[in-house]
Amino acid sequence: AQTVTQSQPEMSVQEAETVTLSCTYDTSESDYYLFWYKQPPSRQMILVIRQEAYKQQNATENRFSVNFQKAAKSFSLKISDSQLGDAAMYFCAYRSISQGGSEKLVFGKGTKLTVNP
Amino acid sequence: DTAVSQTPKYLVTQMGNDKSIKCEQNLGHDTMYWYKQDSKKFLKIMFSYNNKELIINETVPNRFSPKSPDKAHLNLHINSLELGDSAVYFCASSQGWTIGEPQHFGDGTRLSIL
Repeated sequence: AQTVTQSQPEMSVQEAETVTLSCTYDTSESDYYLFWYKQPPSRQMILVIRQEAYKQQNATENRFSVNFQKAAKSFSLKISDSQLGDAAMYFCAYRSISQGGSEKLVFGKGTKLTVNP
Repeated sequence: DTAVSQTPKYLVTQMGNDKSIKCEQNLGHDTMYWYKQDSKKFLKIMFSYNNKELIINETVPNRFSPKSPDKAHLNLHINSLELGDSAVYFCASSQGWTIGEPQHFGDGTRLSIL
């Protein structure tokens, strides 16, 4: 079974600075998907960024980018120019390439990010 | 315009009661899920349905019974509620046949057992 580990329960960053959240995973599959979800205090689960394992290029979405190291099974999230609205729980998630209802997400335990003004 | 909607948002009830949480998605997706987020914020899959057919049942007690009347709805009924059932329950949906399609989540239902 796949597992996802987020080793930083809490992180903090100064507004406008850059922060990196760590995520490692364990799998025997060669193709899969990785996601970062954000959960603000409002409780919504918001997709931040996704990465296909077969793509070597790191995904980027505006101020959010990932460092995907497939051999090391590492998938870190970098937030540049941090804003107060980035404060939230961040969850790393793994998904197999299977379909037909089997596409469950396996989540890490989350990292609580605080942004200091 | 809400893509995945859950009702109610909050549910407070006593031990031993039976309750239901409803979920509807208007995205035309054919796969729906229930996740449970415990007090430590850990999210874990409970069930998935594809075109009204149960696909995943992750060792959830029999007191939990999902029902999918059509592919746009996946309701969760819980019998004989226990203190340990207190959690936030999230419904989600995705287009199962689309590779890499992310799951879209509802806003969650906070269930509190007294």
